[in-house]
Amino acid sequence: DAGVTQSPTHLIKTRGQQVTLRCSPKSGHDTVSWYQQALGQGPQFIFQYYEEEERQRGNFPDRFSGHQFPNYSSELNVNALLLGDSALYLCASSGGYSGNTIYFGEGSWLTVV
Amino acid sequence: AQSVAQPEDQVNVAEGNPLTVKCTYSVSGNPYLFWYVQYPNRGLQFLLKYITGDNLVKGSYGFEAEFNKSQTSFHLKKPSALVSDSALYFCAVRDNTGTYKYIFGTGTRLKVLA
Repeated sequence: DAGVTQSPTHLIKTRGQQVTLRCSPKSGHDTVSWYQQALGQGPQFIFQYYEEEERQRGNFPDRFSGHQFPNYSSELNVNALLLGDSALYLCASSGGYSGNTIYFGEGSWLTVV
Repeated sequence: AQSVAQPEDQVNVAEGNPLTVKCTYSVSGNPYLFWYVQYPNRGLQFLLKYITGDNLVKGSYGFEAEFNKSQTSFHLKKPSALVSDSALYFCAVRDNTGTYKYIFGTGTRLKVLA
């Protein structure tokens, strides 16, 4: 049973560029959430997708957008990258038998230079 | 508003000794409480949760946590620490008022000394 998978693992982007991160949820899960974890901090909620719609959003600017596909996989897009966007981006899935528990992937390390 | 506090940045404990990692929370409704562990350069792994019922919950790798409603706490415990337990531990909370957002603490680094 595959867990939550994310790609790419690491990437380096230049200020002003755009990035797309991808996530496949755990088998049986239909809900995907994205979190940003800056160095030395706890994860911060970006948004959650369910039934291909953004169900809830955290305090992140509109530069952060997402999408959920019919197979429940998801993308996180960040436009006009800033140095402060450098962080570990974590995808978490839930739903079905997992109830209220969210399960995380290994994350995508984004460095903005 | 929901919030979580982990008052200790680091906890040191000798191998074989009991360990406690502290967490206090604030929510509007009833809390859903979680503990996760993060190893270097990895994602977060689920350890245990409290939703309702028995105040003492048991989780993976011999960890347990005690929910205390009056003190709004959910401390993580283990009777006998292992060197391999050394990692970063996060407490998280969500309430039952309709939000889907989990609030995480800033993390506590556990160091188990051989």
